[in-house]
Amino acid sequence: GENVEQHPSTLSVQEGDSAVIKCTYSDSASNYFPWYKQELGKGPQLIIDIRSNVGEKKDQRIAVTLNKTAKHFSLHITETQPEDSAVYFCAATRYSSASKIIFGSGTRLSIRP
Amino acid sequence: NAGVTQTPKFQVLKTGQSMTLQCAQDMNHNSMYWYRQDPGMGLRLIYYSASEGTTDKGEVPNGYNVSRLNKREFSLRLESAAPSQTSVYFCASRKGLARNTGELFFGEGSRLTVL
Repeated sequence: GENVEQHPSTLSVQEGDSAVIKCTYSDSASNYFPWYKQELGKGPQLIIDIRSNVGEKKDQRIAVTLNKTAKHFSLHITETQPEDSAVYFCAATRYSSASKIIFGSGTRLSIRP
Repeated sequence: NAGVTQTPKFQVLKTGQSMTLQCAQDMNHNSMYWYRQDPGMGLRLIYYSASEGTTDKGEVPNGYNVSRLNKREFSLRLESAAPSQTSVYFCASRKGLARNTGELFFGEGSRLTVL
């Protein structure tokens, strides 16, 4: 089955700097890679996702890149702000209703003022 | 819109007791999921239901049972709770149609402590 590894487990960056979180997956059939943000005391929420037919996707300060050959994908946050402090999870799955959605172990991102 | 509603939000059990976590969604989604979240372990899939009438095991199903009561509701049962089941449990739903099947919508979580 699918296995997703996520690094780093914790990340502290200066406000205004960039943050990068990396994930690798094992199942070459996975074709959908979402990223979720979890704020304290809440359930995770989708912030961006990418399908395997594209290599990069951007939404304002957030971007995700995918390297299918190497089976890894990354989340990039530019111009970080205090409200970016949260736990971020990557996931991998097949884009169908019957699929398991397997998450990485999470990255706790802290933004230093 | 309520989205995904979980009850109870907090529960303390003694070892060996049983309990059921309830989950309901009002978005007419086909697929529903139960995850547990432990420090350093991320979100681990316990069971999921791709559609009404079907359930399948996830990564960590031992010690749990589920019931997809109808399209709206998906419950998680602990028959004989163990301290290792102390965790935060999240229910999630997903549209599950041919298009736009991606996004999971999560509930607020249920914090369970087993003494």
